[in-house]
Amino acid sequence: ETGVTQTPRHLVMGMTNKKSLKCEQHLGHNAMYWYKQSAKKPLELMFVYNFKEQTENNSVPSRFSPECPNSSHLFLHLHTLQPEDSALYLCASSQETYTEAFFGQGTRLTVV
Amino acid sequence: QKEVEQNSGPLSVPEGAIASLNCTYSDRVSQSFFWYRQYSGKSPELIMSIYSNGDKEDGRFTAQLNKASQYVSLLIRDSQPSDSATYLCAVKWEDSSYKLIFGSGTRLLVRP
Repeated sequence: ETGVTQTPRHLVMGMTNKKSLKCEQHLGHNAMYWYKQSAKKPLELMFVYNFKEQTENNSVPSRFSPECPNSSHLFLHLHTLQPEDSALYLCASSQETYTEAFFGQGTRLTVV
Repeated sequence: QKEVEQNSGPLSVPEGAIASLNCTYSDRVSQSFFWYRQYSGKSPELIMSIYSNGDKEDGRFTAQLNKASQYVSLLIRDSQPSDSATYLCAVKWEDSSYKLIFGSGTRLLVRP
């Protein structure tokens, strides 16, 4: 059982749809992250939250909108995505900002 | 120059051999260093963290850090076919952005 849970595991959406990805961590961590992993590309950091405050937006297009209501939950709201946004979206959390991060299982997103 | 660089491989070693994986990082005030293992279609799994110069051993794994040379490595002793995966090097920078930046990964193949 993982301490970081992501739902859904798989998502297919049209370019005009609106959907949300959810991440929940049960580890008592303070920092949470969204990463994007495209085929044959390295992990790309998207957003960082520390104690619910966004500390990093890595030049992510506005069609991706993060939300962190508390230190245990992180959402990624998606709207008007493009086919090139199809990827594995990974959530991670860490106790402190300088310590190791633990990943959820990821959401495999396909935009059609 | 990429912030975290790894040879993409594949690195092929026979079963029982030592696999040596290398990573270099750009000249910034770095703080924390991590090695993750990622099987195909799965999320990254933390193997080792190292915070100071020198060696750190955990079972068959040894992480080596040399900050003067901006170099971190992972040695896997007695390699097993189940070690075949992509190994990701990650670095956290000592600034306020709390970024955890990954290299592109090295694919390791352990031949039975």
